[in-house]
Amino acid sequence: DAGVIQSPRHEVTEMGQEVTLRCKPISGHNSLFWYRQTMMRGLELLIYFNNNVPIDDSGMPEDRFSAKMPNASFSTLKIQPSEPRDSAVYFCASSLRPLTGGQHSNQPQHFGDGTRLSIL
Amino acid sequence: EDQVTQSPEALRLQEGESSSLNCSYTVSGLRGLFWYRQDPGKGPEFLFTLYSAGEEKEKERLKATLTKKESFLHITAPKPEDSATYLCAVQAWGYQKVTFGIGTKLQVIP
Repeated sequence: DAGVIQSPRHEVTEMGQEVTLRCKPISGHNSLFWYRQTMMRGLELLIYFNNNVPIDDSGMPEDRFSAKMPNASFSTLKIQPSEPRDSAVYFCASSLRPLTGGQHSNQPQHFGDGTRLSIL
Repeated sequence: EDQVTQSPEALRLQEGESSSLNCSYTVSGLRGLFWYRQDPGKGPEFLFTLYSAGEEKEKERLKATLTKKESFLHITAPKPEDSATYLCAVQAWGYQKVTFGIGTKLQVIP
C-alpha cells in the first residue's frame, strides 16, 4: 500500500521566496493534517482538513502560511514570503475519520516522511 | 490546553537491558493516547492506541500501559533496531486534534 507521499523531501531557498510543499494522502482517507516539527517545540499541528474542507487552522503561525486541499488526493502548504525562522521539517498525515463517534472508532494518523525546509 | 510531557529526553541502553519510557499528560477527557516511533529522516510510525486506564497493548518487545495521568512504554530486552525516538500523543473527546510530546530518543548499544 502506498503511504502518505510528500514532495519535495528537501527544500533550500532564500528568504523572501515562495515555498510550496505538497502532499498526497493515503487513498480513502478523508482527514489530512499538516504539522511542523522542530527540536524545541516538537510536532505542532498547523491545520487539518475533513473531506477537503479546512476545519481548524489555529496553528498556522501567521498570514504568510496558507494551505489548500483542492481534491481528496492532494494538498499544498504554501509559505510566502518565507523567513529563516520557518526552517523546520514539515509533515503531512492522513487518517480515516470514522462515521461514528465511539471511543474505539478512533483512527490513528499515518505520516509521510516529511519535507526538510531550510530558509537561508 | 492539552499537555504531554515525556521523560527522559534521551535514554541509552545496552542490548538486552529492559527499561521504561514515561508519558505524563493532562487532557480534558481522554479519548485516546497514541504511541509512535520515529526513525531519523522519517515520519512518525504508529504503534499503539490506548483508551482507558488499566489498558495494556503489546507488540514484540514493546508494551504500553495507561493510567489516569500517565502512560509507560516498556521495552523488554531491547535490540539495536529498537533505537528511535518514541513519541506520545493525546486526543481529547470532541476534538480531532492530537497533541504530541517532544519524544524520548532511545539508543540501544550492541
